[in-house]
Amino acid sequence: GAVVSQHPSRVICKSGTSVKIECRSLDFQATTMFWYRQFPKQSLMLMATSNEGSKATYEQGVEKDKFLINHASLTLSTLTVTSAHPEDSSFYICSAAGTSGAYEQYFGPGTRLTVT
Amino acid sequence: AQSVTQLDSHVSVSEGTPVLLRCNYSSSYSPSLFWYVQHPNKGLQLLLKYTSAATLVKGINGFEAEFKKSETSFHLTKPSAHMSDAAEYFCVVSGPGGYNKLIFGAGTRLAVHP
Repeated sequence: GAVVSQHPSRVICKSGTSVKIECRSLDFQATTMFWYRQFPKQSLMLMATSNEGSKATYEQGVEKDKFLINHASLTLSTLTVTSAHPEDSSFYICSAAGTSGAYEQYFGPGTRLTVT
Repeated sequence: AQSVTQLDSHVSVSEGTPVLLRCNYSSSYSPSLFWYVQHPNKGLQLLLKYTSAATLVKGINGFEAEFKKSETSFHLTKPSAHMSDAAEYFCVVSGPGGYNKLIFGAGTRLAVHP
C-alpha cells in the first residue's frame, strides 16, 4: 500500500516551453502533497506544499508563477514548469501525506527534467 | 528553527561489518525524526521513524536508530552490512508549519565493499 507514482519519469524539453509533471497517490487519498527539487548529489529541497482544493504554499525563493501547482483531487497533483530554462533542469520529486497522520510522507520515484 | 546535520557525507564499510550513519538535529520542540533511503533511480523509502514513543526504533532491513535527547542525536545503525545497502541515506526532521513538513539532511552516501 501507499504507492505514489510520477509521470513522466524523464522529460527533455526546449528552453521557453512548459512541461507538466503528474503525481498520483495510487491506493490512498492524499489531502496534502509536496513537491521537492533535488540537485545532483544534493539533498531534497521543499518547493511547495499543496492541499486538495486550495492554493499551494510556496517556500521562500520559489517562484509561484514559474512552478504552477494544481491539486485538483485527493489523488492527483501536478507541477507545471513554465517557460523552462536550462537552470530548471533537475530531479523533481513529489510526496503525499495520507489522512492517518503520524507525519509520514510517501515519495514518488521522481522525474528527471532536462531543459536544452 | 528545525535543522538536521548528517555528520558524514560518505561512509564506506566492508560487507558483513557494522554500519553507523550519524545524524544530529536541532528543534525547538519535540521532533519527529526519520531515516529515508534512496537507491539510484528509485524513490525514497522510509527506513524508520521516531514519533515520541520508544527511543530505540527498529526499521526495515535490519536497521535501527536510537533517539538521544541529551545528545540531540538520531544515529542509524545496522549490525552487518549487505551489498544491497549501498545507497544514499537521509536523516529527516519534521518541520514547523503543520501538514507534515519535512526538513532533510544533506545525505550520507553509503558504499559497501566485498
